[in-house]
Amino acid sequence: AQSVTQPDIHITVSEGASLELRCNYSYGATPYLFWYVQSPGQGLQLLLKYFSGDTLVQGIKGFEAEFKRSQSSFNLRKPSVHWSDAAEYFCAVASPFGNEKLTFGTGTRLTIIP
Amino acid sequence: DTAVSQTPKYLVTQMGNDKSIKCEQNLGHDTMYWYKQDSKKFLKIMFSYNNKELIINETVPNRFSPKSPDKAHLNLHINSLELGDSAVYFCASSQDIVTSGDEQYFGPGTRLTVT
Repeated sequence: AQSVTQPDIHITVSEGASLELRCNYSYGATPYLFWYVQSPGQGLQLLLKYFSGDTLVQGIKGFEAEFKRSQSSFNLRKPSVHWSDAAEYFCAVASPFGNEKLTFGTGTRLTIIP
Repeated sequence: DTAVSQTPKYLVTQMGNDKSIKCEQNLGHDTMYWYKQDSKKFLKIMFSYNNKELIINETVPNRFSPKSPDKAHLNLHINSLELGDSAVYFCASSQDIVTSGDEQYFGPGTRLTVT
């Protein structure tokens, strides 16, 4: 069964600073990988996803993520954060073969300070 | 137009009661889901329907019963509510099943509080 770990529960960065949120997965092959964002009081919104091919994927709102097979990681990055990026970020994994569910990490809460 | 809507947004009820949460999507998607998000923000799949057929039924108490009257609706009925059922319940939909990699669109959530 697949699983995903987000080691950082809470991260605080200054507005304009760069950001990297960590995500590690456990799966026997290359899974489908996703990053979702949840703003306060809202549902989740997809930022980006990786299935295959180019290991650097671009998403919405200026986010990107890099798949590293050797490290079983799919870290999310943004070169310069904005106050509106404050939210909860979830990494998720799905098996490309049967097992129809999306498994989420425990989330990383991002706080932006002026 | 809201893509995935849920009603009610907030639900406060007492232990032992029976309640329902409704979900509707106007995206024309074939697959719908129910997730539970606990107080620590952990999000876990409960059920998934594809073309009104149940395809995921995680280990949830049988007090929880989903119903999909048509592809655009997936309701969640909960019998004999318990304190531990307090959570935010999210409905989601996608064009196809998870293995297709389609994006899941989430509703705004229903915050259930059991007292």
